[in-house]
Amino acid sequence: GDSVTQMEGPVTLSEEAFLTINCTYTATGYPSLFWYVQYPGEGLQLLLKATKADDKGSNKGFEATYRKETTSFHLEKGSVQVSDSAVYFCALRSGSARQLTFGSGTQLTVLP
Amino acid sequence: KAGVTQTPRYLIKTRGQQVTLSCSPISGHRSVSWYQQTPGQGLQFLFEYFSETQRNKGNFPGRFSGRQFSNSRSEMNVSTLELGDSALYLCASSRQLAGGLTDTQYFGPGTRLTVL
Repeated sequence: GDSVTQMEGPVTLSEEAFLTINCTYTATGYPSLFWYVQYPGEGLQLLLKATKADDKGSNKGFEATYRKETTSFHLEKGSVQVSDSAVYFCALRSGSARQLTFGSGTQLTVLP
Repeated sequence: KAGVTQTPRYLIKTRGQQVTLSCSPISGHRSVSWYQQTPGQGLQFLFEYFSETQRNKGNFPGRFSGRQFSNSRSEMNVSTLELGDSALYLCASSRQLAGGLTDTQYFGPGTRLTVL
C-alpha cells in the first residue's frame, strides 16, 4: 500500500537557519505530493504541492521538488523564522485515490 | 471565499455516549473527507462523500458513520464512544475534477473530541 516516511522530529533551529525536512514515499502509479502545516490548536493548511515528476512547489519561502528517481519530496527553506514553528506533514494521493496518506509529521521549533 | 468550517470546535463526552460532528465545505466543493488525528496513530482517513454518497471508507469500525446533505454539508457520527476515540477530527473539502478525480483538499480547524 501507499506510505510516507518523514524524518523524525522534533527539529529545533535558530532563526535564519536553513531548514530541510526529508520525506520519501511508496506509492502505486504517479502520486500527487503535498506538504501541509499545522499550527498549535489549528487544522492543516496546505503549504505547497506538486503533481508530476520534477515539479517544484513553492510558497512563503518554502520549496519542495518532486523527485521520482529517489521517490522523495523534501521540504526546504533558506531562512526560517520564529513564526514557522509548527508541525509539518508530508502527504500523497496516488492514482485515482481520493484520500490522502500522511507521514507522521515533523515538529519544528525555531528559536529567536 | 470562506474556508471549511467545523462545529463544534470542542466536545467532551463520556464513554458509551454518541456524538455528531458537522462540516461545511468551501462553496463549490462537493467532495468532503474526514480524518482522525491522534498522537499515537497520526492522521488516518475515515471516509469520503460526494453527492450524498460515501465513495471511500477507511479502516474504522462501524461505530463511525457519516452522511452528506444536498448542499454538500457533511456530518459524522460516532456511537458508543470509547476512550480511544479521543482525537482531533478533521474535515477536508475539494472540488471534483474530470474523470472522477478530486482536486487539492483544504482542511477545516477540526473538532477536538475528549471522551472521559
